[in-house]
Amino acid sequence: DTGVSQNPRHKITKRGQNVTFRCDPISEHNRLYWYRQTLGQGPEFLTYFQNEAQLEKSRLLSDRFSAERPKGSFSTLEIQRTEQGDSAMYLCASSLTGQGYPDTQYFGPGTRLTVL
Amino acid sequence: GQSLEQPSEVTAVEGAIVQINCTYQTSGFYGLSWYQQHDGGAPTFLSYNALDGLEETGRFSSFLSRSDSYGYLLLQELQMKDSASYFCAVGETGANNLFFGTGTRLTVIP
Repeated sequence: DTGVSQNPRHKITKRGQNVTFRCDPISEHNRLYWYRQTLGQGPEFLTYFQNEAQLEKSRLLSDRFSAERPKGSFSTLEIQRTEQGDSAMYLCASSLTGQGYPDTQYFGPGTRLTVL
Repeated sequence: GQSLEQPSEVTAVEGAIVQINCTYQTSGFYGLSWYQQHDGGAPTFLSYNALDGLEETGRFSSFLSRSDSYGYLLLQELQMKDSASYFCAVGETGANNLFFGTGTRLTVIP
């Protein structure tokens, strides 16, 4: 069990650029979640996948954000035309169905995005 | 919608006991979770209550009263390494995501 990994750990970009983050969940976990966290706040839910199906999306997830989990393993989160308000820590979590309800979620270390 | 309230900061002495309260408002409530997050680190699961009562896990215990929409996290025999932010989070029936509070920053002093 190597835990949830995320890459890159830090990303600095200029306003208007596109960025993509990757999350590798714990290998046997079938659910994968994306959250966003700003300083002094708790994580805010963005979206979640069960296997390759995207089952829930928060209204926080504007049309500039897109997430995929093509083979039910790793996931990518893309932000197009970044804005300064997108600066945050983007956290990925994974869980295994049937281990409790709601599932216990295991978080990765996050990708810190800074938009200049 | 959901809302969670917890104190923003708590300071306690090493070796003491501290209680972090959480009140919530949500529809279709289905459990209260607690996560710990050190500065720069990932949130780490601590405890979960679906039913009223106390759950104990080592030095940490968590309590839930569904009728009062209230829960707390109890940390005993505080250690310096317990200095971190603690978040309560609710799950809702039919949803698998968690809704997190704004967190309580615990500082343990010698």
